[in-house]
Amino acid sequence: NAGVTQTPKFQVLKTGQSMTLQCAQDMNHEYMSWYRQDPGMGLRLIHYSVGAGITDQGEVPNGYNVSRSTTEDFPLRLLSAAPSQTSVYFCASSYRDRGSGYTFGSGTRLTVV
Amino acid sequence: SQQGEEDPQALSIQEGENATMNCSYKTSINNLQWYRQNSGRGLVHLILIRSNEREKHSGRLRVTLDTSKKSSSLLITASRAADTASYFCATGGGGGNKLTFGTGTQLKVEL
Repeated sequence: NAGVTQTPKFQVLKTGQSMTLQCAQDMNHEYMSWYRQDPGMGLRLIHYSVGAGITDQGEVPNGYNVSRSTTEDFPLRLLSAAPSQTSVYFCASSYRDRGSGYTFGSGTRLTVV
Repeated sequence: SQQGEEDPQALSIQEGENATMNCSYKTSINNLQWYRQNSGRGLVHLILIRSNEREKHSGRLRVTLDTSKKSSSLLITASRAADTASYFCATGGGGGNKLTFGTGTQLKVEL
């Protein structure tokens, strides 16, 4: 049981480049989400999904796209990277029932230069 | 904007002592959860307390919830060096299972 798998673990991008952060879970969780973590800011929700084919915006969605074609995968796309997107990105999943704890991936540390 | 605010921001104690962290939030919630994050790692779910519960225990962890004051506390008893980590509260109340996290308390347990 692998849990939540994020790839890559580290990435350096140049301003303007695009890339996709991958997230996969094998627990049949309906709910998946992406957070970014910045020093002193805690975790902020970027996008989330309550099931395959359904996505919605979180607190800081600008500059990011998501899709949920399968229950297992929830990729996060950076359309045109900016230095302000330098952060640590976490993917998390849970059962849809309110009151289920999240399982987090180990994170992707992204630097935009 | 952050829903939860932890207090204190940093806490340093000796091994064997108890550690208490507090969380205040702003809006009504369905549940409140606590997570631990070791340096450079992902978050790990510790405990969940529902809005109709007042206290919950799990091993050395004790969580209380006061919905009238919109606050929660996490008590770690008989702390160990391995408890050194950041601790976050998160409130659930939005659509699906959406959680809003606080800014965290950094706990250091010294030998």
